Amino acid sequence: GQNIDQPTEMTATEGAIVQINCTYQTSGFNGLFWYQQHAGEAPTFLSYNVLDGLEEKGRFSSFLSRSKGYSYLLLKELQMKDSASYLCAVRGSRGGSYIPTFGRGTSLIVHP
Amino acid sequence: GAGVSQTPSNKVTEKGKYVELRCDPISGHTALYWYRQSLGQGPEFLIYFQGTGAADDSGLPNDRFFAVRPEGSVSTLKIQRTERGDSAVYLCASSLTLGARAEQFFGPGTRLTVL
Repeated sequence: GQNIDQPTEMTATEGAIVQINCTYQTSGFNGLFWYQQHAGEAPTFLSYNVLDGLEEKGRFSSFLSRSKGYSYLLLKELQMKDSASYLCAVRGSRGGSYIPTFGRGTSLIVHP
Repeated sequence: GAGVSQTPSNKVTEKGKYVELRCDPISGHTALYWYRQSLGQGPEFLIYFQGTGAADDSGLPNDRFFAVRPEGSVSTLKIQRTERGDSAVYLCASSLTLGARAEQFFGPGTRLTVL
């Protein structure tokens, strides 16, 4: 089976940096995704990691360590609009297929 | 269309009724996924299609749930004898392929409320 763990809620100040962690246990591994979901809206893709290391994309970076079953999403220069839920999703080998399994999401609150 | 669309956006029904939820994927996307999301939870996988066939339906909770994609494009999720526990947002996503890096594009969801 697959198990994904991330904090339920985090708060941060506008302009600051925040790191959202995700740990996972999975049978087989075929990539890890981060999605952003604003309240009442659909998830939107942020990043994908399949090899160890850091992937940087503008204000957002994502890190992966496969040996530790660990990833983090780093958000820099926080803006109020970054208040949202951040979903970690792992693509394992569920039943021979490669369906992403989602964590329950981390609700990030950015305050002035 | 420009993105994944789902209809209706909201559906209120009574316990025991039958409902159909529709998903129009991005044109040309061969893979289509259904998830459901309860408040405060991440999306929970239900079923996915590669073309017309259901390649993995292991997430369907029981035999009241069924989905079809007869022509490899539009998909319909069907729920029989709805129960209050079925209330959730039903999300549809599509991807160009089933490749490992394939990004899923989500629709806005259908909020189902069973009274």
